[in-house]
Amino acid sequence: GQNIDQPTEMTATEGAIVQINCTYQTSGFNGLFWYQQHAGEAPTFLSYNVLDGLEEKGRFSSFLSRSKGYSYLLLKELQMKDSASYLCAVSGGATNKLIFGTGTLLAVQP
Amino acid sequence: DGGITQSPKYLFRKEGQNVTLSCEQNLNHDAMYWYRQDPGQGLRLIYYSQIVNDFQKGDIAEGYSVSREKKESFPLTVTSAQKNPTAFYLCASSRTGRNEKLFFGSGTQLSVL
Repeated sequence: GQNIDQPTEMTATEGAIVQINCTYQTSGFNGLFWYQQHAGEAPTFLSYNVLDGLEEKGRFSSFLSRSKGYSYLLLKELQMKDSASYLCAVSGGATNKLIFGTGTLLAVQP
Repeated sequence: DGGITQSPKYLFRKEGQNVTLSCEQNLNHDAMYWYRQDPGQGLRLIYYSQIVNDFQKGDIAEGYSVSREKKESFPLTVTSAQKNPTAFYLCASSRTGRNEKLFFGSGTQLSVL
């Protein structure tokens, strides 16, 4: 079967660092995406990993280990506006269809 | 500015009624998608299209229909056969449909009266 697991909710403090984990089991792997979604709005693209290692983009970084079926999104210097859901999605199989996790709702507190 | 436009933002359906959600993009993308989002669940794929006049069923296509007569447009019809239509519907597009990031519209919240 195909499965993506993420924590349902996380809480962190403004200015701190938070790591959101994602584990996946899919038939085939063509890449892993992270999206940010504020309540009632469209998801927006954050990062893409296809090779093992860390991809850094400003305050956000994403890590991938294909052998472990594991990724994380690292958010540094948290701001109140980072309060949102973070969606992990894996592209796999012959059709390259994206499979989404349920998302992690991050609450940033003052 | 290029982007994806979904309308309406909110839609109400009466029992037995078909309703159509609009999705238009001016990004010149080949591929377009419809997802359904329910609380506590991941986005689930309803239908997708990688080229004009062609589309494929996703994981939860029953009770829905689509058309792709123009590259820019991919409307979704929620038919009366869909017994649990209340959800947030998201349209998305990508350049070629092959392992690329998706660009999403702002969504339509459909509720049943």
